[in-house]
Amino acid sequence: QGQLVESGGGVVQPGGSLRLSCSASGFSISPYGMHWVRQAPGKGLQWVALISHDGVIKNYAASVEGRFSVSRDNSKNTLYLEMSALRPDETAVFYCVREGGWPWGQGTLVTVSS
Amino acid sequence: QSVLTQPPSVSAAPGQRVTISCSGNSSDLARGYVYWYQQVPGASPKLLVFGHNQRPSGVPDRFSGSRSATSASLAISGLRSEDEADYFCALWDDSLYGSGIFGGGTKLTVL
Repeated sequence: QGQLVESGGGVVQPGGSLRLSCSASGFSISPYGMHWVRQAPGKGLQWVALISHDGVIKNYAASVEGRFSVSRDNSKNTLYLEMSALRPDETAVFYCVREGGWPWGQGTLVTVSS
Repeated sequence: QSVLTQPPSVSAAPGQRVTISCSGNSSDLARGYVYWYQQVPGASPKLLVFGHNQRPSGVPDRFSGSRSATSASLAISGLRSEDEADYFCALWDDSLYGSGIFGGGTKLTVL
């Protein structure tokens, strides 16, 4: 089935930037579209972005459009999420998910705070 | 963004059967199958049901999914204490310019 592992989370000041990575093992991501999903503490799940298998097509939630950028390096079997102009209410665990809704990574926590 | 609606909480005693509903508009549900996930505190969601009531390997048949034109349901029979968790429904649109839609989650308490 394979595994996804996110990294790059941490504490960032409001207005700051952060880059998340999602590394896949046990399968190749190259045939698959990949999603990013976030979950604020104690809250539900929110879809963030989708990138097509070849990286050509990208789609974003309206709330992050223009501030977040999804990319991928199939040769490294890795997905990325560049985030900028972060707000305190965007504190959340970020998950990467393969198309088809499985698997999910374990998540990486992004805390936006001064 | 479209959303799916779930009850905030449900409860039942061990051994009983409980159902969790997930409703949305017909155009959203027509996109495809409803997926059901279980999430325990501190962990990522675990896939329980996908497609036409299919379960990944290792998920017991106590968990089953059903749907109509405007709603879907997850049924859990023979409740166990370890079933106490949050449950989310989701619709995945993996087409170009697709997205994901999630329910708000339902907290299941095993009395």
